[in-house]
Amino acid sequence: EADIYQTPRYLVIGTGKKITLECSQTMGHDKMYWYQQDPGMELHLIHYSYGVNSTEKGDLSSESTVSRIRTEHFPLTLESARPSHTSQYLCASSPLGPSGKGQAGNTIYFGEGSWLTVV
Amino acid sequence: SQQGEEDPQALSIQEGENATMNCSYKTSINNLQWYRQNSGRGLVHLILIRSNEREKHSGRLRVTLDTSKKSSSLLITASRAADTASYFCATDPRRGGKLIFGQGTELSVKP
Repeated sequence: EADIYQTPRYLVIGTGKKITLECSQTMGHDKMYWYQQDPGMELHLIHYSYGVNSTEKGDLSSESTVSRIRTEHFPLTLESARPSHTSQYLCASSPLGPSGKGQAGNTIYFGEGSWLTVV
Repeated sequence: SQQGEEDPQALSIQEGENATMNCSYKTSINNLQWYRQNSGRGLVHLILIRSNEREKHSGRLRVTLDTSKKSSSLLITASRAADTASYFCATDPRRGGKLIFGQGTELSVKP
């Protein structure tokens, strides 16, 4: 079992509310990721981080923001939620590859996901 | 489009049968990984095959990699109802540094 935890698992909120999805890992991994996945669909990378104070946008544009103040913690925030943000958000982590930032040769460990519904 | 594309999108078999899923990709890779996702849960890593490997086994799983065809297959032998899940391939491209996931194959194993 991976030591990566997401809270909340399920959340229903009203339009316009601010929400933060929490993600913590106890494996000491430098790299962390946020993926967005609609039911039965592929994963889309929306944010990633190589370490403390490093954050990058992923392949899919997202209105969410992330921060990486501590190695183990990578929260995702939506300032004003909309129904189009309804989705599953998956947090993940991996150690840096032997070549540093350029390689992703290690296994990615996923959290259980956070299901967000915006009504 | 995504680097990894899987085929079939959905597969339904009886318990005891073998299940084969295929993954095709477009660019050169360092390795290819297969993940499993139970409904409503996170992904779990199954197996990694490096670009210089052709075949790898792990329990009832057998993965092949053909870099000349840019394709991989995942075989689950003697399937069980508990194997019901979505299976994703993920490629680690030589240029890019981030894993790229395919769309997944939804496997249903009927008891």
